[in-house]
Amino acid sequence: DQQVKQNSPSLSVQEGRISILNCDYTNSMFDYFLWYKKYPAEGPTFLISISSIKDKNEDGRFTVFLNKSAKHLSLHIVPSQPGDSAVYFCAASYGNAGNMLTFGGGTRLMVKP
Amino acid sequence: GAGVSQSPSNKVTEKGKDVELRCDPISGHTALYWYRQRLGQGLEFLIYFQGNSAPDKSGLPSDRFSAERTGESVSTLTIQRTQQEDSAVYLCASSLLRASEQYFGPGTRLTVT
Repeated sequence: DQQVKQNSPSLSVQEGRISILNCDYTNSMFDYFLWYKKYPAEGPTFLISISSIKDKNEDGRFTVFLNKSAKHLSLHIVPSQPGDSAVYFCAASYGNAGNMLTFGGGTRLMVKP
Repeated sequence: GAGVSQSPSNKVTEKGKDVELRCDPISGHTALYWYRQRLGQGLEFLIYFQGNSAPDKSGLPSDRFSAERTGESVSTLTIQRTQQEDSAVYLCASSLLRASEQYFGPGTRLTVT
């Protein structure tokens, strides 16, 4: 029973255009959501997060949107750069689970020059 | 500053042997997590340590898996009588108390032949 799903295993985007990565969750108790980026042979690195009390959080080229009613979040990268090519994982947590993160399966983003 | 480190980076072992994986968290981080990532899949939570509290072992897949942590420092994940399905990248992460941003190590790639 996957509580966090990333339905697109891969995404290819032209440099300079917008990349939109999607994530759906089923557990309505999740109250904190994060995006991680992972390069081959490295551990995931934190990118951006959002609390359930917000619907948008922006950090430079990265914006995360949260739609609680749809149990959906998305990560927008604009403009996309070749160095953004990596696997992106969304993750979720809730208060009484400590900080255990439940991860989606990841989306491989390829930004073509 | 030093990040999370893990050793060994790669481990090849024969089916049935025991293996021990090590994680050195970021100094001062009271929470420590183990995850594993099988080929082509997302990160799967294994175990969580928070200070001196009893660890959350809810993600351990079988009693062949165990983990220890000495105070708020090093942790070791032990897999006894390894099976081929244990082959995965084992990732360790640490975080500050009650913070959801986790910092990951580079992982240990375990291959069971």
